[in-house]
Amino acid sequence: EPEVTQTPSHQVTQMGQEVILRCVPISNHLYFYWYRQILGQKVEFLVSFYNNEISEKSEIFDDQFSVERPDGSNFTLKIRSTKLEDSAMYFCASRPDRGPYEQYFGPGTRLTVT
Amino acid sequence: DQQVKQNSPSLSVQEGRISILNCDYTNSMFDYFLWYKKYPAEGPTFLISISSIKDKNEDGRFTVFLNKSAKHLSLHIVPSQPGDSAVYFCAASPYQGGSEKLVFGKGTKLTVNP
Repeated sequence: EPEVTQTPSHQVTQMGQEVILRCVPISNHLYFYWYRQILGQKVEFLVSFYNNEISEKSEIFDDQFSVERPDGSNFTLKIRSTKLEDSAMYFCASRPDRGPYEQYFGPGTRLTVT
Repeated sequence: DQQVKQNSPSLSVQEGRISILNCDYTNSMFDYFLWYKKYPAEGPTFLISISSIKDKNEDGRFTVFLNKSAKHLSLHIVPSQPGDSAVYFCAASPYQGGSEKLVFGKGTKLTVNP
């Protein structure tokens, strides 16, 4: 069964450093998403991406964040200058172009900013 | 701003009995509702969904009920099995003609005792 994959599973970085989180969505899916979950809190939407551009972004997704689909398979989230409060699980998700609207999630990347 | 609320942080049931997980929402624009199951160190796994034009959707042991007037939905698991022990997230999506971001509740931890 096709699945969303994410690398790395755990990333430790120092405050102020840039990180890139990588995702490979399911191959025939066209909508891509990033969510995050801070420890003990709910899963929060960050950004959606379709047709090579951002469809929607949340207030969390400020100028420090960017997304890219550099080729036909990868979808990346970049944080330019990490802050302590960026420490969280980051989940990538994807869904096909047409309904139903179920999104399929990857296993997540645990980002720890020290 | 808790648009999706899961007021029970935990629920414990005996194997073979029914598990009922509840979810309330406040945003009238939501028209698609989903339940996800999450094990530790994994991403959310899609379980079942329901459109706002329906009041019930069934898939094997899992049934979701939607009461639009009360802005309430519930997930029934019958019979419950120990492998169902996980955190269950309720999620809702407004139709936006594109991104359909998911808004999650905080989750309910279900424990099914043998």
